[in-house]
Amino acid sequence: GENVEQHPSTLSVQEGDSAVIKCTYSDSASNYFPWYKQELGKRPQLIIDIRSNVGEKKDQRIAVTLNKTAKHFSLHITETQPEDSAVYFCASGELGTGNQFYFGTGTSLTVIP
Amino acid sequence: EPEVTQTPSHQVTQMGQEVILRCVPISNHLYFYWYRQILGQKVEFLVSFYNNEISEKSEIFDDQFSVERPDGSNFTLKIRSTKLEDSAMYFCASSRDRGGTEAFFGQGTRLTVV
Repeated sequence: GENVEQHPSTLSVQEGDSAVIKCTYSDSASNYFPWYKQELGKRPQLIIDIRSNVGEKKDQRIAVTLNKTAKHFSLHITETQPEDSAVYFCASGELGTGNQFYFGTGTSLTVIP
Repeated sequence: EPEVTQTPSHQVTQMGQEVILRCVPISNHLYFYWYRQILGQKVEFLVSFYNNEISEKSEIFDDQFSVERPDGSNFTLKIRSTKLEDSAMYFCASSRDRGGTEAFFGQGTRLTVV
């Protein structure tokens, strides 16, 4: 089955700096890679996703890159703000199959004002 | 904006009792999921459901667990004979999954087994 690894497990950055979280996956059939943000006590919420036919996707301060050959994808947050502090989960899955999403172990991001 | 809703938000039950966690997925979604998250740990897949049957299930989803879509709107997770280690946040999710869309998560039900 799929194995998703995520690093780092914790990350502290100064407000205004960039944060990068990296994930690797093992199953070449995976074609969909969402990123979820989970604030304390709340549900995971999708913040950005990327499909395997795209190498990079950007939405304001958030971007995701995908390297299919190396089987890794990364989340980039620029100009970090205190409200970006949360746990971020990467995931991988196969669209259209109804199969599960495999989640990474999470990265606790703290943005220091 | 449509969202997945779960009830109750918090359930406390005695060990050995049965609990039913309820979810109302987004109305035009076709795939339904249950995940759980033990405090401080990652989100773990339990089961997916499509076309009124289980599509995939994990090792966690043993005979203690069952899912049902009793009507056109609800999706339930039943846990029989609860154990202390069943204490976790349980998330329901749904996705349209035609051409590919993301899974939307409910707000979760915190299950505490005492």
